[in-house]
Amino acid sequence: DVKVTQSSRYLVKRTGEKVFLECVQDMDHENMFWYRQDPGLGLRLIYFSYDVKMKEKGDIPEGYSVSREKKERFSLILESASTNQTSMYLCASSFIPGPYEQYFGPGTRLTVT
Amino acid sequence: QKEVEQNSGPLSVPEGAIASLNCTYSDRGSQSFFWYRQYSGKSPELIMFIYSNGDKEDGRFTAQLNKASQYVSLLIRDSQPSDSATYLCAVMGAGNNRKLIWGLGTSLAVNP
Repeated sequence: DVKVTQSSRYLVKRTGEKVFLECVQDMDHENMFWYRQDPGLGLRLIYFSYDVKMKEKGDIPEGYSVSREKKERFSLILESASTNQTSMYLCASSFIPGPYEQYFGPGTRLTVT
Repeated sequence: QKEVEQNSGPLSVPEGAIASLNCTYSDRGSQSFFWYRQYSGKSPELIMFIYSNGDKEDGRFTAQLNKASQYVSLLIRDSQPSDSATYLCAVMGAGNNRKLIWGLGTSLAVNP
């Protein structure tokens, strides 16, 4: 079974703090994704990566950065957390070749106060 | 803008009935289609995927794809209260860029 883990289930941070969210997958997947999910807005792609040290912007990259130093690990960084970044953050991975179904971690509920 | 549309619901069905969930997509070149289930407060989990026209069955679930009409559906037979969740439709667009385009989901309530 595919296993995607995320560093925290719940996280509370203060405005202006630097926040690290980590995601690890154990299935040697090439592709990794970070989403945020908000009521009424669905899943929105923040960043994704097709390979180590590679990253691509998704639909809403502003205020976020990512790091992929190892194939199994994909980190999302909030450089200076703001209250509008309060959300559920979901990491996913998929493998080559297709059809590229994505497997999700349990999610991190981040609250920025 | 490539889009995936789902009726937000809630769709309410009695226990034991067939639940029918629908999804339309705008990109005619889309290649693969996915259905996910998401319980409240949990992450999405893959139910099944389909990439050829027609039906694909997996247990109580059947996915139906009609590329000419740009329409994909999920049927859940013998619905159970445990099927109550939000069902997300996702589409792999043309160009094989490995990203999925997501619908907003349909909320399903199965009433005992």
